[in-house]
Amino acid sequence: DTGVSQNPRHKITKRGQNVTFRCDPISEHNRLYWYRQTLGQGPEFLTYFQNEAQLEKSRLLSDRFSAERPKGSFSTLEIQRTEQGDSAMYLCASSLGAGPNEKLFFGSGTQLSVL
Amino acid sequence: SQKIEQNSEALNIQEGKTATLTCNYTNYSPAYLQWYRQDPGRGPVFLLLIRENEKEKRKERLKVTFDTTLKQSLFHITASQPADSATYLCALGDTGRRALTFGSGTRLQVQP
Repeated sequence: DTGVSQNPRHKITKRGQNVTFRCDPISEHNRLYWYRQTLGQGPEFLTYFQNEAQLEKSRLLSDRFSAERPKGSFSTLEIQRTEQGDSAMYLCASSLGAGPNEKLFFGSGTQLSVL
Repeated sequence: SQKIEQNSEALNIQEGKTATLTCNYTNYSPAYLQWYRQDPGRGPVFLLLIRENEKEKRKERLKVTFDTTLKQSLFHITASQPADSATYLCALGDTGRRALTFGSGTRLQVQP
């Protein structure tokens, strides 16, 4: 399977714990995105990378959230001191380029539940 | 601030009819607009892209229009089938560094 892969598919954690998600993009794609989606809403942008450089972070992104993309390959999203409001589907996507080429390929997401 | 509006109420239609979904936006001048399909528990899947200088785009049973004066895109599915039942998301993009911005989506239910 050469699509975007996300792990784990589901994560249940207690409030205050740290969690980390992993995303493996399509290998030749240089852009990697993280979005968050809650029930009945569209994906909300969090951050994106071009190769290993983090080019944009949403102003909504709390400093408890951090993302990395070492060597421009896979990416991790860490949430520290989780809160119940962090419960959501975390989606990763990759694309081949910018502008009109920015057709996103999404993974199946990681569903986070904070108890 | 930028706003993208899609009908929050589900659209229910009979099989064989044409489904028309609307995407309106304000405070935005997108260079292109995309439509995605999302099934429950899955990530969105790209369907069509239309540029600001294009009025209409077609792909099989799908048609998208883009009116930059009205700040609106219409997404049509002709000869709809129950398998077309899903949530459809519009997304706006520009040629800069900013990532795609998504609407909240419209759920389509095609009755057999």
